[in-house]
Amino acid sequence: QKEVEQNSGPLSVPEGAIASLNCTYSDRGSQSFFWYRQYSGKSPELIMSIYSNGDKEDGRFTAQLNKASQYVSLLIRDSQPSDSATYLCAVKPGNQFYFGTGTSLTVIP
Amino acid sequence: DGGITQSPKYLFRKEGQNVTLSCEQNLNHDAMYWYRQDPGQGLRLIYYSQIVNDFQKGDIAEGYSVSREKKESFPLTVTSAQKNPTAFYLCASSMAWRGGTDTQYFGPGTRLTVL
Repeated sequence: QKEVEQNSGPLSVPEGAIASLNCTYSDRGSQSFFWYRQYSGKSPELIMSIYSNGDKEDGRFTAQLNKASQYVSLLIRDSQPSDSATYLCAVKPGNQFYFGTGTSLTVIP
Repeated sequence: DGGITQSPKYLFRKEGQNVTLSCEQNLNHDAMYWYRQDPGQGLRLIYYSQIVNDFQKGDIAEGYSVSREKKESFPLTVTSAQKNPTAFYLCASSMAWRGGTDTQYFGPGTRLTVL
């Protein structure tokens, strides 16, 4: 079973704070890791992809990967109300992508 | 514009009917995927295709069928055998590289409701 686990939340942070989203995965063969944002009623939108251990920054978003611990996280700095959404973690160990159930984030103005 | 299109956006089905959801991409991607999402749930894979004229079942293929006659198109048929088809259906595509930096992109989705 190729599992991807996320804390379902809801996670609430005040505007301007750092939001931290976490994800663990079971398949050590996973080589590619992704974070998607999904607004209510909309399709998932790719935010970040990461393939190597360490940090990857893109604007206010930082993805962190630790393959030894089978852990990937997403940090959102200076959180904005527009960041309120469900965040999906995905991994790709072979031909398929496997998704977590998502973490619901609310940024409080 | 490059991207993935799905139609219709909303679809209503009567009991016992088959319906077909359209998915088209102009990204020149080899792989295409169909997922189902239920309220508060994650994405569940229905079918995927790595190449034209070939496709594989995902975790919840029962009651669904697909075809891949063209690289750009991957239609999904929801048959009357699918007992609980009301859901949000998402089509996605990717380059299908093994390992490496393959990335999946999604269409806007079709919301199917059984009347």
